[in-house]
Parts: sequence; structure tokens; C-alpha cells
Amino acid sequence: EDKVVQSPLSLVVHEGDTVTLNCSYEVTNFRSLLWYKQEKKAPTFLFMLTSSGIEKKSGRLSSILDKKELFSILNITATQTGDSAIYLCAVPLGSGNTGKLIFGQGTTLQVKP
Amino acid sequence: GAVVSQHPSWVICKSGTSVKIECRSLDFQATTMFWYRQFPKQSLMLMATSNEGSKATYEQGVEKDKFLINHASLTLSTLTVTSAHPEDSSFYICSATLSTGVEKLFFGSGTQLSVL
Repeated sequence: EDKVVQSPLSLVVHEGDTVTLNCSYEVTNFRSLLWYKQEKKAPTFLFMLTSSGIEKKSGRLSSILDKKELFSILNITATQTGDSAIYLCAVPLGSGNTGKLIFGQGTTLQVKP
Repeated sequence: GAVVSQHPSWVICKSGTSVKIECRSLDFQATTMFWYRQFPKQSLMLMATSNEGSKATYEQGVEKDKFLINHASLTLSTLTVTSAHPEDSSFYICSATLSTGVEKLFFGSGTQLSVL
């Protein structure tokens, strides 16, 4: 059975801290892994990872994939209160780029002032 | 970026009534849209794949007669929760693909359904 597991499920930090969110997966025909940020409603796209060991970076956020160990991490440095959100990891299912995703449970991050 | 509009953003209804949720791709054509459900403190679970001009494909465990999906045009898919019950209360969210490539997948703003 395909599955995506995230950890921790929740995290509370203070502004300025660095956090690492984890996502492990077991999916047949793996092609890519995606990270989303969900603040209140629609998830917004952060990264798509397809190759092992190549870091993707956007400002204070970065992510990397390990296809051998079947996991990915999302790092947020110098956290701000605006980073408070649910961070979702997802993997596309099936062949082709159909947009059909299996999501992890999400990590709820709370950044305190 | 591409915009997916979902309406209504929240709805409260009585048990036994039906509720229709609309998902529109505002500035692109989407041959395929997806409907997800999210219970509190849980992740998004795919309910069905909506294909323009054909029947939707439902995930295992999702009742197709209860959750009616119609994808009548390239920009509109609707989800109707028929004879809603309190256990159907959830956050429903749609997504649409701009083109081939999951990084081009955009989500609607979601609909919070509360069934009394």
C-alpha cells in the first residue's frame, strides 16, 4: 500500500529557530515528491523534488530528497511567525503527471514571537 | 499564477439536505480536476478524479452515489454531497492541473461543510 508519513506531527518553536520537517514514503513508481504550505485554506506549492541529493532552496526554506532511504526533509531557518502553518508532503500516484497525489498527515508548525 | 476558485467557502446545512460545491479554473482549461477531503487535524485524502466529459473515478471507500461529481466543461467541476449527514462535515478542496506536471497543480480555497 502506498503511503507517505510525516514527522513530527506538530512542532512549536520560537522566532529565529531552525526547524527540520521529515517526510518518508513508500510508493510504487516513484517520480517526485512535493512540499506544500497550508495556512488556512488552499495549499501553496513550495518545492518539487525528483533527484536525490540536490537541494532546492527558496529564501529561508530548503529541501532535499534521498531516494535510497526514501525520505525528504524540509528545513526552515530563522523562523518567523508567518511560517506558522501546516506543511504537507505529497507524492504523485500512478504513471504520468496526472496530479493525483497521496499526502502525508502534515506537520503543524507554530512559531511563537 | 493560475487561479482555481471554489465556492462556497463555507456552508452549514441540515442533515438530509444536499450541498453543491463548485470548482472553477479561472484562467486556464482543466481537463482533469481532483476532489480532496480533509478532516480536522488530518491530511488531505483524495476522493475522486473528475474528467471533463466523462464519469469521475472514485477512490476506494468513497461512495459515488453520495458524492456526485460533474465536470461539464473545461473550467468547471461540481461536487454534490447528497443527503448530507454530520459525519460528512469536513473541509472539501479541489485542485486542477494547468498542464502536464504536478508542479502545475493548483488548489482551490476549499469549502468547510458543517452538517447539523
